[in-house]
Amino acid sequence: QKEVEQDPGPLSVPEGAIVSLNCTYSNSAFQYFMWYRQYSRKGPELLMYTYSSGNKEDGRFTAQVDKSSKYISLFIRDSQPSDSATYLCAIGLGGNTPLVFGKGTRLSVIA
Amino acid sequence: EAGVTQFPSHSVIEKGQTVTLRCDPISGHDNLYWYRRVMGKEIKFLLHFVKESKQDESGMPNNRFLAERTGGTYSTLKVQPAELEDSGVYFCASSQQGATNEKLFFGSGTQLSVL
Repeated sequence: QKEVEQDPGPLSVPEGAIVSLNCTYSNSAFQYFMWYRQYSRKGPELLMYTYSSGNKEDGRFTAQVDKSSKYISLFIRDSQPSDSATYLCAIGLGGNTPLVFGKGTRLSVIA
Repeated sequence: EAGVTQFPSHSVIEKGQTVTLRCDPISGHDNLYWYRRVMGKEIKFLLHFVKESKQDESGMPNNRFLAERTGGTYSTLKVQPAELEDSGVYFCASSQQGATNEKLFFGSGTQLSVL
């Protein structure tokens, strides 16, 4: 069983739609949950960072963690063409233990 | 402030040749990481430096890979001899001293193609 599962998509939505991106993970010891955004030919850029369970909101972005289900989500409201990118979930145990990444979901927002 | 810089952005070499990738972290960042993404796979950890010391190299695939960080500034990752399966995008990331790796800043990566 993979440590992190993420549907690679691609996912195509119209401008203004609400986007839901998800990952599941297998190890209940993970405590740190991140979402990275990666534009073409660029490196991953930290978008959202959550510790333990709960929700975190930043503008049009909301990250949710459900540790009981080992399920994390990223919601994008009022999606824009500039949101078109690959979104990677990453999870960690804390300290400087290596991050574990999902494969990434390729999102296209069509104007 | 300059971000994490990686050089070259692309490298095409033949099997058996040697390639050296370079990473310049954000100034003042003591933590430096190398990650790799092979086509169709997840980004995977290779190793972690704290200043010039290797903190964790558990992700290095084999002894054909050698990473150095002399003086605790820039880092190099050498692959010698390169094999076809080494193709992929090599990312470098850095973070401040005391920061955990949840606050990583990534470079744009080096696309390595071994033919």
